[in-house]
Amino acid sequence: DSGVTQTPKHLITATGQRVTLRCSPRSGDLSVYWYQQSLDQGLQFLIQYYNGEERAKGNILERFSAQQFPDLHSELNLSSLELGDSALYFCASSPAGGGSYNEQFFGPGTRLTVL
Amino acid sequence: AQSVTQLGSHVSVSEGALVLLRCNYSSSVPPYLFWYVQYPNQGLQLLLKYTSAATLVKGINGFEAEFKKSETSFHLTKPSAHMSDAAEYFCAVNPFGNEKLTFGTGTRLTIIP
Repeated sequence: DSGVTQTPKHLITATGQRVTLRCSPRSGDLSVYWYQQSLDQGLQFLIQYYNGEERAKGNILERFSAQQFPDLHSELNLSSLELGDSALYFCASSPAGGGSYNEQFFGPGTRLTVL
Repeated sequence: AQSVTQLGSHVSVSEGALVLLRCNYSSSVPPYLFWYVQYPNQGLQLLLKYTSAATLVKGINGFEAEFKKSETSFHLTKPSAHMSDAAEYFCAVNPFGNEKLTFGTGTRLTIIP
């Protein structure tokens, strides 16, 4: 158990809908990262937040957005869902915002299925 | 952009045999390198990391990796495979000053009884 929790574990929805994925980082970790894992794209970095502020952006679609709240939990919002958005979405956390040697601790993921 | 290449999307070894999973990185300076393991229906777990302190890095579950600058490689090895090692393994790079992890395409390890 990494200490990172993600809810829900599974999500099945229809095209055009909007969903919210939630992540609680390890106690004390300030950085939260979102990754998407799909069969065709592999594991891709989406976005990072550090202590409530957006820190880095990756291959995140405009239909997707995220935020980190004062209690440091984070939410990833996916809207106007398409079939191709079906994937496993991981959240990871790390202690600090600087220093790339920091280990990232991954949650169990949310499996999103868009029908 | 820095990246890693994993050679072999599928590797099969017999139980008790040597495990060798290959990873090459592209970088003008030695980056920070990681190996993660993903068991079925689970998240990613860190096996080991290279942070320039030592070229031979020992990780969990008997795995180790050697950083070779001349070959731009960071191959993962384990002397004797166990059935419980069956999983997908990802090499990742985290360039200095940029914290996002860039993952390789993964290698699925199958252990033959």
